[in-house]
Amino acid sequence: EAGVAQSPRYKIIEKRQSVAFWCNPISGHATLYWYQQILGQGPKLLIQFQNNGVVDDSQLPKDRFSAERLKGVDSTLKIQPAKLEDSAVYLCASSARTAANTGELFFGEGSRLTVL
Amino acid sequence: GDSVTQMEGPVTLSEEAFLTINCTYTATGYPSLFWYVQYPGEGLQLLLKATKADDKGSNKGFEATYRKETTSFHLEKGSVQVSDSAVYFCALSDQGNTPLVFGKGTRLSVIA
Repeated sequence: EAGVAQSPRYKIIEKRQSVAFWCNPISGHATLYWYQQILGQGPKLLIQFQNNGVVDDSQLPKDRFSAERLKGVDSTLKIQPAKLEDSAVYLCASSARTAANTGELFFGEGSRLTVL
Repeated sequence: GDSVTQMEGPVTLSEEAFLTINCTYTATGYPSLFWYVQYPGEGLQLLLKATKADDKGSNKGFEATYRKETTSFHLEKGSVQVSDSAVYFCALSDQGNTPLVFGKGTRLSVIA
């Protein structure tokens, strides 16, 4: 079974530029998550999708971050304009159940962003 | 809000040593508790979980017991191997459709 795919693995940009990350979840997984992991910290949820609807985006900085999940499959996370503090690893995860407290989230390898 | 506190790393052990990584939590409800592991160059993966008090999760020789009275979920392994070198994350999910809340992670290095 193919895992969660993310791209690009690494991205370096100047501040105020824009960047987009792509995620392809495990086939059939209805729930998709984007987490931000700053160096030395645990992952922090940015947004959760159920199919193509948003369940939770309370911690997404909406003035600069946006995300979409077209057709309930792939998802894109965009940052525009980027700030230095956005340097982090962006993790995509998917799960087969609607309730996150089942705990079985499957993570991609992450996209590491460096903002200079 | 909900939170998870893990012991600071890095932790360096010799092969076959006993491992404990402490984890305590704060939650408004009755959460499920998890340990995730991230091996070098790989994504996070679920190691074990427990959904109610006194449950013991176990996998790959690792164990953790859900202690409601002490709000803890410490990870233990009796004899670590070099291949256990990784970053370990404690996490919780409160009742309902709430996302996982992670601790900061503890890096474990096992030397031969």
